Amino acid sequence: GAGVSQSPSNKVTEKGKDVELRCDPISGHTALYWYRQRLGQGLEFLIYFQGNSAPDKSGLPSDRFSAERTGESVSTLTIQRTQQEDSAVYLCASSLEARPTDTQYFGPGTRLTVL
Amino acid sequence: KQEVTQIPAALSVPEGENLVLNCSFTDSAIYNLQWFRQDPGKGLTSLLLIQSSQREQTSGRLNASLDKSSGRSTLYIAASQPGDSATYLCAVRDDYKLSFGAGTTVTVRA
Repeated sequence: GAGVSQSPSNKVTEKGKDVELRCDPISGHTALYWYRQRLGQGLEFLIYFQGNSAPDKSGLPSDRFSAERTGESVSTLTIQRTQQEDSAVYLCASSLEARPTDTQYFGPGTRLTVL
Repeated sequence: KQEVTQIPAALSVPEGENLVLNCSFTDSAIYNLQWFRQDPGKGLTSLLLIQSSQREQTSGRLNASLDKSSGRSTLYIAASQPGDSATYLCAVRDDYKLSFGAGTTVTVRA
């Protein structure tokens, strides 16, 4: 079956522009996670969804970042007024539910470059 | 806040040599620990998952140990091959989210 997909795979934007990153989870997975990986660093947790609700948004770095999920499926991460420090690979993962025993399956990521 | 550290940051070995990758974490209240492989332009591939009650997991040439009380895990890769060249990430699970180390980039020279 299809895995987690993300689009676009690469995005180059100018400082100050808004960007939207999309994640399509594995069908039937109720939990969805967003992580960010800056160059040379580990992945940092941004936000997760259980269904369409986001119980923990604590990892979002600033109020320029927001995310939504609809129909317990697709999720969109939006970054407003992008800054150069937003340049990173944004990874999405999904799991059956958000239980500790549920394996998270990762997508290939979106590489965002802010000029 | 959970901090995960991986040593070394990079490793280069000749083909056939065994690899030893280290991971440490600061908060031992974890549900499990997972080792991932990351290839350029691709997502993360899960290699091994060790539950907090387990001491080790094995899969083929890979073996991972976990000492939860001391906050350490080690990934062993036996008889390395050029195809093992990748970045290896360690992640600990506390409730719903994973906390990752920065990774060890491995190069296996033919």
